[in-house]
Amino acid sequence: DVKVTQSSRYLVKRTGEKVFLECVQDMDHENMFWYRQDPGLGLRLIYFSYDVKMKEKGDIPEGYSVSREKKERFSLILESASTNQTSMYLCASSLPAREQYFGPGTRLTVT
Amino acid sequence: SQQGEEDPQALSIQEGENATMNCSYKTSINNLQWYRQNSGRGLVHLILIRSNEREKHSGRLRVTLDTSKKSSSLLITASRAADTASYFCATDLTGANSKLTFGKGITLSVRP
Repeated sequence: DVKVTQSSRYLVKRTGEKVFLECVQDMDHENMFWYRQDPGLGLRLIYFSYDVKMKEKGDIPEGYSVSREKKERFSLILESASTNQTSMYLCASSLPAREQYFGPGTRLTVT
Repeated sequence: SQQGEEDPQALSIQEGENATMNCSYKTSINNLQWYRQNSGRGLVHLILIRSNEREKHSGRLRVTLDTSKKSSSLLITASRAADTASYFCATDLTGANSKLTFGKGITLSVRP
C-alpha cells in the first residue's frame, strides 16, 4: 500500500514564525502536491512538483515556498506565518495521470 | 481555475438506500476522479474514470461519465452508516500536467 506521511497532525505557531511542513511518500511517485483545505472553499492547490528540484505554482502560492531535494520528500515552507494561513494542509503524491494518494493532513493554527 | 461542481451540497439518507451524487465541469478532461474524506482526515481515492470510458464499477460504487454533457455521477448502492463522509470529484484537465481541480464536496449522512 502507498503510504504518505506528514510530519505533524496538529501544529500551533505564532505570527511571523517560519514553519516547515514535511511530507514523505514511499512509492517512488514522480508527482507530489500541497493543498490547503478551508470550510466552504474545498481543496486548493498551493504547489506541485513533478520531479526532484522541479516545482510549479498552484492556485494560491502567495506566502508559501516548497523544496524537493529528494524524490520521496516534499516540504512546504511558510516564510512568515500569518493568521490567514490557519488551515488544514494536505500532501499528496501520484504517478503521472493517475490517482493521488493523500497524507492524513496537518491542522495548522497560527496565533 | 475551472472547478468541478458537485450537486447536491448535502445529502441525508437512510441506511440501505442508494445515494447519487453529481459533478459537472467546464473544460475537456483526461480523467475524472472521486474521493472520500472522513471528518478531519486525508482524502481516499475511490474511482478514476478516463475520458473515453462511460461507466465504471468498484464494489458498491458505480461512476458514469458523460463527456458531451461534461458531467459525472457517483452512485453508492445499499448505503451503510460507515459511508457517512464528504465526497469530492476532481478533474484532470487536458494540458494540466496531472494537476487535479477539486470541487467543494458533498456531505453525505447515512442514518442508521
